[in-house]
Amino acid sequence: SAVISQKPSRDICQRGTSLTIQCQVDSQVTMMFWYRQQPGQSLTLIATANQGSEATYESGFVIDKFPISRPNLTFSTLTVSNMSPEDSSIYLCSVLAGGPSNEQFFGPGTRLTVL
Amino acid sequence: AQKVTQAQTEISVVEKEDVTLDCVYETRDTTYYLFWYKQPPSGELVFLIRRNSFDEQNEISGRYSWNFQKSTSSFNFTITASQVVDSAVYFCALSETEWAGTGANNLFFGTGTRLTVIP
Repeated sequence: SAVISQKPSRDICQRGTSLTIQCQVDSQVTMMFWYRQQPGQSLTLIATANQGSEATYESGFVIDKFPISRPNLTFSTLTVSNMSPEDSSIYLCSVLAGGPSNEQFFGPGTRLTVL
Repeated sequence: AQKVTQAQTEISVVEKEDVTLDCVYETRDTTYYLFWYKQPPSGELVFLIRRNSFDEQNEISGRYSWNFQKSTSSFNFTITASQVVDSAVYFCALSETEWAGTGANNLFFGTGTRLTVIP
């Protein structure tokens, strides 16, 4: 299994500012992902964080708004830029654990409120 | 295109009752993977099960059981003798990508079913 931590766990931010969320995994993983869960909604994949190259973004998400870094196999950051109240969500880091189980684990999430 | 439907938005049961959460999926791939996750009030997502499309055997884990029926594209989840700690939102998810560790892997989530177990 993989143990995932995220910082901050929650934050309240002003419109127009940016927030960087950190994701740390206790073991090296190949695949890391960032998801968004808007209030009362399901989860939507933002992007796949690729180590050593640019992230792969899903439709509706762009690098300028959600820049992602993945400097190594245990760490990634997601920045929510120029925030608006519509960005208020839970942001979750997720990793794919290798081996026969191939489970996908999720971090505890970062609850973001934009005023 | 892929789609996961959880038609039950909210379910309430009395403790010790059995409850089944429905999940219906759509995919054009012959190889795919189905998942169930639990999201308790604390917010973290807890992995429950992963099933590939070639394995239709039902699975039982303690009070949890899963019924995979390719003929009806369903992957239902049953909790027997429900407990208050089972109260959570349960998500069904689908992945069409081979878990080879290459390329993007995307979990498509259903909208979730909120289960409330009343003591």
